[in-house]
Amino acid sequence: KAGVTQTPRYLIKTRGQQVTLSCSPISGHRSVSWYQQTPGQGLQFLFEYFSETQRNKGNFPGRFSGRQFSNSRSEMNVSTLELGDSALYLCASSLQPENEQFFGPGTRLTVL
Amino acid sequence: AQTVTQSQPEMSVQEAETVTLSCTYDTSESDYYLFWYKQPPSRQMILVIRQEAYKQQNATENRFSVNFQKAAKSFSLKISDSQLGDAAMYFCAWGGNKLVFGAGTILRVKS
Repeated sequence: KAGVTQTPRYLIKTRGQQVTLSCSPISGHRSVSWYQQTPGQGLQFLFEYFSETQRNKGNFPGRFSGRQFSNSRSEMNVSTLELGDSALYLCASSLQPENEQFFGPGTRLTVL
Repeated sequence: AQTVTQSQPEMSVQEAETVTLSCTYDTSESDYYLFWYKQPPSRQMILVIRQEAYKQQNATENRFSVNFQKAAKSFSLKISDSQLGDAAMYFCAWGGNKLVFGAGTILRVKS
């Protein structure tokens, strides 16, 4: 069974731009969570989706948003990029909420 | 709010030896999960082991085992017969679908 896939793997943007990251969960998994990983703040929870509904949101500004489609694929969007948004963005999927999560390889975003 | 603390920024172990990584957490919830994830240089997060808080028995997965002390809110990971491939950053995490991670422990394995 294929694992969690994330596209693109690497991305370079400039301040003020917006970006969309994509995540395809493991087949059959309906829950998708997103995390931001930076050297300074570590791993931080962004949001969680289940059945196209956002169930939880972390402490991030409104510039960070996401959605989940009927096939469980998820996207996250960051608008008006700032230098501090440079990070590894990790997506994880699970069968149901509260089940163990399996992570994708991440998208490395660099904001110049 | 839940917090997870990993007090060892870096650990070293000789190949074939045993090493224990420490983790403490704070929560007011009674039912939860605890996890150890491994992140090698590739940055792919790999689930190592999972513990359900309501289970008294410590989880074991091959060379990996945990010492779960619920009252002390402690969840340490023991790696036996360490191998070069075990070298990675190890993260302790609390939760279910909203994981709270510790800062991580870099494990170096010496040959």
